[in-house]
Amino acid sequence: QVQLQESGPGLVKPSETLSLTCTVSGGSISTHYWNWIRQPPGKGLEWLGYISYSGTTNYNPSVKSRVTVSADTSKNQFSLKLTSVAAADTAVYFCARGQFFDSSGFLLDYWGQGALVTVSS
Amino acid sequence: SSDLTQDPAVSVALGQTVRITCQGDSLITYQANWYQQKPGQAPVLVIYGENNRPSGIPDRFSGSSSGNTASLTITGAQAEDEADYYCNSRDSSGNLGLFGGGTELTVL
Repeated sequence: QVQLQESGPGLVKPSETLSLTCTVSGGSISTHYWNWIRQPPGKGLEWLGYISYSGTTNYNPSVKSRVTVSADTSKNQFSLKLTSVAAADTAVYFCARGQFFDSSGFLLDYWGQGALVTVSS
Repeated sequence: SSDLTQDPAVSVALGQTVRITCQGDSLITYQANWYQQKPGQAPVLVIYGENNRPSGIPDRFSGSSSGNTASLTITGAQAEDEADYYCNSRDSSGNLGLFGGGTELTVL
């Protein structure tokens, strides 16, 4: 059974960089696509981006200039960095495994429990 | 448009059938998935593609699609089905992920 666990600071100051790591167990990050999704308090889900098993990245245009997703295959971890954060970046951040299917689908089948990150001075 | 549109809230009587819809231009090309999220928990995939259920998902959950609209149907809704439901797909370019705004389901 694949399991994902987010870790990182729960409080980040405005204008600083938010950094989170997702540790994957029960499966290798050398396959599939590894995603970050966030959910502001009381609001819906927003897909931020992914890194593929081959290192390709894709990002949501809404954060593209500020976001980097990277992977460390030796530790079976992938990470999110979001620069120049503001209060609007306060959210629960989820990591999730993605895969393409049937030539036109892309699903997220395993999710971490989520990590609340608050942006405040 | 690259958006996915869902009704904010839907209600259903216990044991009855409810349909939750998701509209978006990208759904003409790309398949939708559905996630259930209960308060304080991570989303759980309940339907992927046209009508595929992951292991462990009850068969009262089903999916369908027509044109630019995907639907999630719960046949015989149970109290434990009360949750937020999100559709998800790819944007029109096929490269980016999209979520609908979510539908809050109340079981009366």
